[in-house]
Amino acid sequence: QQQVKQSPQSLIVQKGGISIINCAYENTAFDYFPWYQQFPGKGPALLIAIRPDVSEKKEGRFTISFNKSAKQFSLHIMDSQPGDSATYFCAVNTNAGKSTFGDGTTLTVKP
Amino acid sequence: DTAVSQTPKYLVTQMGNDKSIKCEQNLGHDTMYWYKQDSKKFLKIMFSYNNKELIINETVPNRFSPKSPDKAHLNLHINSLELGDSAVYFCASSQASGMSTDTQYFGPGTRLTVL
Repeated sequence: QQQVKQSPQSLIVQKGGISIINCAYENTAFDYFPWYQQFPGKGPALLIAIRPDVSEKKEGRFTISFNKSAKQFSLHIMDSQPGDSATYFCAVNTNAGKSTFGDGTTLTVKP
Repeated sequence: DTAVSQTPKYLVTQMGNDKSIKCEQNLGHDTMYWYKQDSKKFLKIMFSYNNKELIINETVPNRFSPKSPDKAHLNLHINSLELGDSAVYFCASSQASGMSTDTQYFGPGTRLTVL
C-alpha cells in the first residue's frame, strides 16, 4: 500500500504562473511533511517543510498548505520561474525519522 | 567543501559482478542513509545507520550489504549484480536519529548501470 500519493506526475506552467503539486497520505502517525527539490544529475534537497499543527507555511515564493482532516498537503510555487524547473517530491516522516517519498512531479516552467 | 560525497559517480558493470559504492559526510551527522532512485525517479529508502548501528533495513535483497566503518562513512556493497539493480543510488545524512524534523542532506548520487 502506497503511503503517500503525489499528483500530478508532470506539470507545465508558464513563467509567472502558479505551480501546484498535491500529496495525500494514509497513516496519521506521520508528523512532519517536507518537500524536496531535485535538479537533473543532483540529489534531492530540502525545499520547505511543515508540522501537522500548522495549516500553512510560506517561505518566499514557496508555500505549503496542510489539511490534517483530509490528510492532504500541497506545494504552491508563486511566480514560477524557468529556474524552478525540477522534480519535486513530497515526503512523510515518522517520529522515528523515517521518510517515505511521493513518486515525484516533474515541473517545467516555460519562459 | 562537499557535505555528502559519493564515489564513484558512474558505475558500469556486467551482471554477476560485485561492486561497492562509498559515501562520506563531513557534517558531523550521526545518521546516514542509502536510497535507490529508479528510472521513473521513484525514491525509496534502503538502509539507515545511526552511529554505525543499523536502524532501518527495508525489504532489500541480501545481495545488498551496507557497512559503516565510522559514523562519517556508509558504504554499500552489492553482490551478484542483476539488471534490475540499475538505478541511481543516493547517500544521505541527518543530524540525529528518531527525529521526524531532521533534515536529510543528499549526496550527488551514483548512477549504476548493469549490462
